Amino acid sequence: DIQMTQSPSSLSASVGDRVTITCRASQTIANYLNWFQQKPGKAPKLLVFGASSLQSGVPSRFSGSGSGTDFTLSISSLQPEDFATYYCQETYRTPHTFGQGTRLEIK
Amino acid sequence: QVTLRESGPALVKPTQTLTLTCSFSGFSLSTTEMCVSWVRQPPGKALEWLALIHWDDDKYYSTSLKTRLTISKDTSKNQVVLTMTNMDPVDTATYYCARTHVNSRGYYADYWGQGTLVTVSS
Repeated sequence: DIQMTQSPSSLSASVGDRVTITCRASQTIANYLNWFQQKPGKAPKLLVFGASSLQSGVPSRFSGSGSGTDFTLSISSLQPEDFATYYCQETYRTPHTFGQGTRLEIK
Repeated sequence: QVTLRESGPALVKPTQTLTLTCSFSGFSLSTTEMCVSWVRQPPGKALEWLALIHWDDDKYYSTSLKTRLTISKDTSKNQVVLTMTNMDPVDTATYYCARTHVNSRGYYADYWGQGTLVTVSS
């Protein structure tokens, strides 16, 4: 199975900050990488697919980049509703492994 | 409007078999490139991918759980069923189903059910 490692595991930031979350795959996954946002008690929400394609309806302050083994999710100017847990997921090969999550908290 | 809803028992005993049903509307699982995935999340822990079924009935499973899982679909009823045998307390989790596309950008789950919490306890 492909292993996905996110960093950091948790992050404190302020409204208006720019933040970047990193996801590393244990082997190359081309650009088959998704990002999800999850709030407590809610289902995950798709933000980015194919490493850099923004899902319809997702604000443009979110962006994804990378290919091969190293990927990033960036939020250009944090809004109050962005404080949540973020997960990456590879879909290069089944099982479609998720990262362990990055918890984004208010500073 | 795409909706998915998971249903099944909230409580199962150890060694029992869990059967979960994902009932959906707003799309057809007979459409090319359409799939349904199952994902679970133990309380306070990360998401774990479980299984996937394609429009053409191809099926894929978690490596660690594949001997215990079976996924199937009933296209006429717009339902996908996941069974997990030999349940254990470590299987306590919220179980989600999700509509999943597959194309040149890979697989991506764009609509999710609200999830159903399954507790395994005697």
